[in-house]
Amino acid sequence: NAGVTQTPKFRVLKTGQSMTLLCAQDMNHEYMYWYRQDPGMGLRLIHYSVGEGTTAKGEVPDGYNVSRLKKQNFLLGLESAAPSQTSVYFCASSSGQGNQPQHFGDGTRLSIL
Amino acid sequence: GENVEQHPSTLSVQEGDSAVIKCTYSDSASNYFPWYKQELGKRPQLIIDIRSNVGEKKDQRIAVTLNKTAKHFSLHITETQPEDSAVYFCAATLTGFQKLVFGTGTRLLVSP
Repeated sequence: NAGVTQTPKFRVLKTGQSMTLLCAQDMNHEYMYWYRQDPGMGLRLIHYSVGEGTTAKGEVPDGYNVSRLKKQNFLLGLESAAPSQTSVYFCASSSGQGNQPQHFGDGTRLSIL
Repeated sequence: GENVEQHPSTLSVQEGDSAVIKCTYSDSASNYFPWYKQELGKRPQLIIDIRSNVGEKKDQRIAVTLNKTAKHFSLHITETQPEDSAVYFCAATLTGFQKLVFGTGTRLLVSP
């Protein structure tokens, strides 16, 4: 049982390049989330999904897009990367039934030059 | 929307001492308050949570207390050990809302 798996673990991009971060969970969770973590700012919600085919904006959605075509996968896209998007990105999932814990992946460390 | 403030930002204690981290929240309707521990370079992991119908919850050396009137909750770690060194995050949410709002974290350093 892998839980929440994020790929890639590290990536360096040049300004203006695009890329997609993949999150996969094998716990049959309904809810999935993307956060970014910056020093001194904790975890900030980018986008989230409450089920297959649904997405919603979080606290800091600008510059990112997401898709949830399959229940187990949640993709985070950067169409035109900017240095301000240098961060550690965490995906999480929860069962969505009442207040259940969010389970996090290992994170993706992304640097934009 | 909900806002969570967390203090202190850093906390240094000697091994065996107790550590207390405090959080305040703004939305009186929030009713679920988890605490996460994040070791350096690792994922955040849930260590304890509390719901608003409970005032205190304990799990071995860690405990969480909730004061709904004052809208604050605290994490208490007793008999601290070097392996307790990590960043701790509090969070708050409303039932059914499913969007956690996190505090900015407390870096706990336990010195041998």
